[in-house]
Amino acid sequence: GAGVSQSPSNKVTEKGKDVELRCDPISGHTALYWYRQSLGQGLEFLIYFQGNSAPDKSGLPSDRFSAERTGGSVSTLTIQRTQQEDSAVYLCASSLGVSADTQYFGPGTRLTVL
Amino acid sequence: GDSVTQMEGPVTLSEEAFLTINCTYTATGYPSLFWYVQYPGEGLQLLLKATKADDKGSNKGFEATYRKETTSFHLEKGSVQVSDSAVYFCALMNQAGTALIFGKGTTLSVSS
Repeated sequence: GAGVSQSPSNKVTEKGKDVELRCDPISGHTALYWYRQSLGQGLEFLIYFQGNSAPDKSGLPSDRFSAERTGGSVSTLTIQRTQQEDSAVYLCASSLGVSADTQYFGPGTRLTVL
Repeated sequence: GDSVTQMEGPVTLSEEAFLTINCTYTATGYPSLFWYVQYPGEGLQLLLKATKADDKGSNKGFEATYRKETTSFHLEKGSVQVSDSAVYFCALMNQAGTALIFGKGTTLSVSS
């Protein structure tokens, strides 16, 4: 597609439920990143994929968070047993490669945990 | 660890005023540096970047120079417009090249 797409755009869930957030990167981009944007913490890195592998998961805040990428394309971020502090905008980005390559961001998924 | 500090907002200016948003960083080595902008209701987009010391990034009238001596990457524009109203984020690439580390963001509001 023309840009990074994410779905859903908004997600409201109840505390304790599991949620899945989807990211479709720009075609041909091998690197994919997940970030979280919240009022209290600003923009935080969560996880980085190169192809289907995730060599850097250092930003995942707890073991309730996991992500996978299949076929070197679409990625899914899963949050299990959601908590109110998980409420944030989850951003996905992709780039051709790594390091100084420009990261192109999607519009984000706004997650609200009631 | 790596970190980015940028001036607190909001910054409120009149049209055609000069803009400076300060950004300093702490990092191992000489990371690539970025300014991203988030316009109201839109996603993050790259404004400019610099990959080595003394490089100047520029775009849409904005400029920033990579200063290793002062570990700074201040954003400047000579004459702001109402359409520049947005949130500006300074960021660095971590040493592994796997993640952007962002500052807290600075909200700019320009009035006519």
